[in-house]
Amino acid sequence: EVQLVESGGGLVQPGGSLRLSCVASGFIFSSYEMNWVRQAPGKGLEWVSYISGGGNTIYYADSVKGRFTISRDYAKNSLSLQMNSLRVEDTALYYCAREGGVGEPDAFDVWGQGTLVTVSS
Amino acid sequence: SYELTQPPSVSVSPGQTARITCSGDALPKQYAYWYQQKPGQAPVLVIYKDSERPSGIPERFSGSSSGTTVTLTISGVQAEDEADYYCQSADSSGTSRVFGTGTKVTVL
Repeated sequence: EVQLVESGGGLVQPGGSLRLSCVASGFIFSSYEMNWVRQAPGKGLEWVSYISGGGNTIYYADSVKGRFTISRDYAKNSLSLQMNSLRVEDTALYYCAREGGVGEPDAFDVWGQGTLVTVSS
Repeated sequence: SYELTQPPSVSVSPGQTARITCSGDALPKQYAYWYQQKPGQAPVLVIYKDSERPSGIPERFSGSSSGTTVTLTISGVQAEDEADYYCQSADSSGTSRVFGTGTKVTVL
């Protein structure tokens, strides 16, 4: 079964750091592009970051550029998001999502269930 | 930054047709994708590459494209179709991904 399972969320103070993880199973991890998407409470979906299958192409939303770092570990079939200098407005449910294409934008065809990040003093 | 605009809400009676639009300047160049999200659940892909339907998605879901607007059509709406729907695409350079503002579909 194709599956994505996120972890690492929690409560953190403004200015703090947190590292999210997403473990993939049921598919060849290195063959797929991956993304992080977040959803603030009661709000819409917001794309956060993208990493190519080979890990050599990375993009970020302007709202997180310079503060968040996406990476992947092929030995562990794992996607990570290192979040630094966290702000109250980063509070959200963070999803990892598989992107179906290679080299060109494509659909987010598999999603995890999300991990909740709360930034509050 | 690039934006995709959707109507906030659409209301429809059971058995009728719901149409949700999504507008963006780069849509003539980039494919659009549609997701359904029910409360407390992760989004589910219902349309890819403007008009293709993934396996397991009912035939009543269809998509179309015309210029800078794409449309998700739900024909013969059922109570279970009540959900939030989001379009998604990429900017003209194909780097940033972007989601639409979302549309809440209410089945009367």
